[in-house]
Amino acid sequence: EAAVTQSPRNKVTVTGGNVTLSCRQTNSHNYMYWYRQDTGHGLRLIHYSYGAGNLQIGDVPDGYKATRTTQEDFFLLLELASPSQTSLYFCASRAGQGEANTGQLYFGEGSKLTVL
Amino acid sequence: GDSVIQMQGQVTLSENDFLFINCTYSTTGYPTLFWYVQYSGEGPQLLLQVTTANNKGSSRGFEATYDKGTTSFHLQKTSVQEIDSAVYYCAMRDYNQGKLIFGQGTKLSIKP
Repeated sequence: EAAVTQSPRNKVTVTGGNVTLSCRQTNSHNYMYWYRQDTGHGLRLIHYSYGAGNLQIGDVPDGYKATRTTQEDFFLLLELASPSQTSLYFCASRAGQGEANTGQLYFGEGSKLTVL
Repeated sequence: GDSVIQMQGQVTLSENDFLFINCTYSTTGYPTLFWYVQYSGEGPQLLLQVTTANNKGSSRGFEATYDKGTTSFHLQKTSVQEIDSAVYYCAMRDYNQGKLIFGQGTKLSIKP
């Protein structure tokens, strides 16, 4: 069973605060993703990566940085958090091309962030 | 740009009713199409996917047909049950790109 673990599961910070959301996958997958989930908007892609040291910009990247330090670990950084970044954040992974189940995303359980 | 549109934000049905959730997509390539389901308190999980145009995918009684002519991938189920209450997301991935784009989601509520 594919496993994606996110931490922290809940985080409260103030405007201007510094937040790091962590994601680890033990699936040996190449691709990792960060999405935010908001009512009325669904899942929106922030950043993604296809390997250690790689970073691709998603559809809503403003205010977010990301870093893929190893194949297993993908971090989302909010250096100056704003109330508009209050959301539920999901990390996901999937295998690369040429491997089994190349389309399927495996999601973590989510990290709820509140910016006051 | 690429997009996935789900017009229905919420659907409320009774048990044994027929389910139809609309999904249309826009892209210049030949995408793989997906339906994901998200139960309360969990992350989304794959329900079904179809890679080839005009093919049908099915899982757990749900079906969706990849219609390239109308650029649609509607989700159907003949008889819903209370356990089907969840949020359903239509999604698309272009073969040459690594990213997956999701629709806005449709919340399905089933009255017992």
